[in-house]
Amino acid sequence: AQKITQTQPGMFVQEKEAVTLDCTYDTSDPSYGLFWYKQPSSGEMIFLIYQGSYDQQNATEGRYSLNFQKARKSANLVISASQLGDSAMYFCAMRDPADGGSQGNLIFGKGTKLSVKP
Amino acid sequence: DAGITQSPRHKVTETGTPVTLRCHQTENHRYMYWYRQDPGHGLRLIHYSYGVKDTDKGEVSDGYSVSRSKTEDFLLTLESATSSQTSVYFCAISESPKTETQYFGPGTRLLVL
Repeated sequence: AQKITQTQPGMFVQEKEAVTLDCTYDTSDPSYGLFWYKQPSSGEMIFLIYQGSYDQQNATEGRYSLNFQKARKSANLVISASQLGDSAMYFCAMRDPADGGSQGNLIFGKGTKLSVKP
Repeated sequence: DAGITQSPRHKVTETGTPVTLRCHQTENHRYMYWYRQDPGHGLRLIHYSYGVKDTDKGEVSDGYSVSRSKTEDFLLTLESATSSQTSVYFCAISESPKTETQYFGPGTRLLVL
């Protein structure tokens, strides 16, 4: 079974609107971390936001927020006020102690390609 | 931005030849990782290092070896390259396993003909 599932291969959003990218995860360990990375067409991996499993509040970083629903095992990324520069691939990842995460290993989803329309 | 460089950035090689990719960091981070990225698979861990001369296998380690003789350098070697190893290779670093952030290098595009 996949540890990280991103069900949206591709999405479109109108410029200046908000968009939610879905991510569900699977782990039996109570201590884990969830990450979102952005990969523009230039290819680099850019860290966006992090949520720890014990964090009481949803993480936010500027226009990015993480809608963390622990019981549902979901960690959706919300981008507010989309910009043309947000067009990119977005990857959800998990650090799972039960799967090498104690050494920092990340397990990635397959990604969602976001296209922002002017 | 974290100081991570990868070399070469692009390489074309032939099946059966050895290839070494280099990751260099200036952050003095203890942990370093090699991932590969393929269409439809996201990123998958090849090998990682938790200190000088301390390395371990990841999910897709077959056909790859690594070495780390200095904190700043982590080398990935394909002993005998195959077409299935055509991929984009990313190096990443982190200060500790529990750090919030794992920073990635710019990637190396490898084509094995």
